[in-house]
Amino acid sequence: DTGVSQDPRHKITKRGQNVTFRCDPISEHNRLYWYRQTLGQGPEFLTYFQNEAQLEKSRLLSDRFSAERPKGSFSTLEIQRTEQGDSAMYLCASSPGQRNTEAFFGQGTRLTVV
Amino acid sequence: KNEVEQSPQNLTAQEGEFITINCSYSVGISALHWLQQHPGGGIVSLFMLSSGKKKHGRLIATINIQEKHSSLHITASHPRDSAVYICAVRSGTSGSRLTFGEGTQLTVNP
Repeated sequence: DTGVSQDPRHKITKRGQNVTFRCDPISEHNRLYWYRQTLGQGPEFLTYFQNEAQLEKSRLLSDRFSAERPKGSFSTLEIQRTEQGDSAMYLCASSPGQRNTEAFFGQGTRLTVV
Repeated sequence: KNEVEQSPQNLTAQEGEFITINCSYSVGISALHWLQQHPGGGIVSLFMLSSGKKKHGRLIATINIQEKHSSLHITASHPRDSAVYICAVRSGTSGSRLTFGEGTQLTVNP
C-alpha cells in the first residue's frame, strides 16, 4: 500500500459544470476525511466518514457538495454547478479507528474553475 | 480569532540557523499535530503530541498544555527544509477532525 491516493491531481472545469474527485485511503484505515485548502490558508474541514457512515459535515459543505463512501473503502466528493469560489485544493486524509492517531494525507486534487 | 494561530507567517533563514515556529490554540485539545506541506500540495505528518516533547532527526516539537502553546524547532536548517509548516489540533469537542493554523512559509537559503 503506497498511502492515500487521490484522483485526479488537477482538474480545470468551466463554471456550472459538475466535478467528482476520488480518494483511496490506506486500506486498513476506517476513518476518512475531506478538507479544502485555498491559497495561503490552512486546510478547512469538510466532512468525515467512519467506515461508510458520514458522521460529520461542515457548514462549508453547501447543498452543491456531496460525499460518499459506499463500501467503507474509497470515497468520492462531488461538486455540482461549480462556482469560481470552489477553486481550491481538496485534500483527503485517512487514519485508523483509534482516537489520537496520525492522519495520513493524499497529494490533493487542485480544482480550478474558470 | 482563529482557534489555532501560528507565528511567524513567513520566515527566511540562512542554512545552518536554528528555527522556531510557534503555535497557540484556544480550545481544549486531545492532540496537536505538526505537518509539512511542500509545493504541489502533499502534506506529511511530522509529529503528533499530547504532552511533553518529541524529537525526530533535526526536528523537535514541544507542547505546553497549560499555556496552550506548541513550538516546532529545526536545528541546523537546510534548504530542503523549505516548506509550509502547519499546526493542527484535534479538540476534545470537535470529534475526530483537525483544525488547522494558516501555516508558516519557511525559506532556507544556502
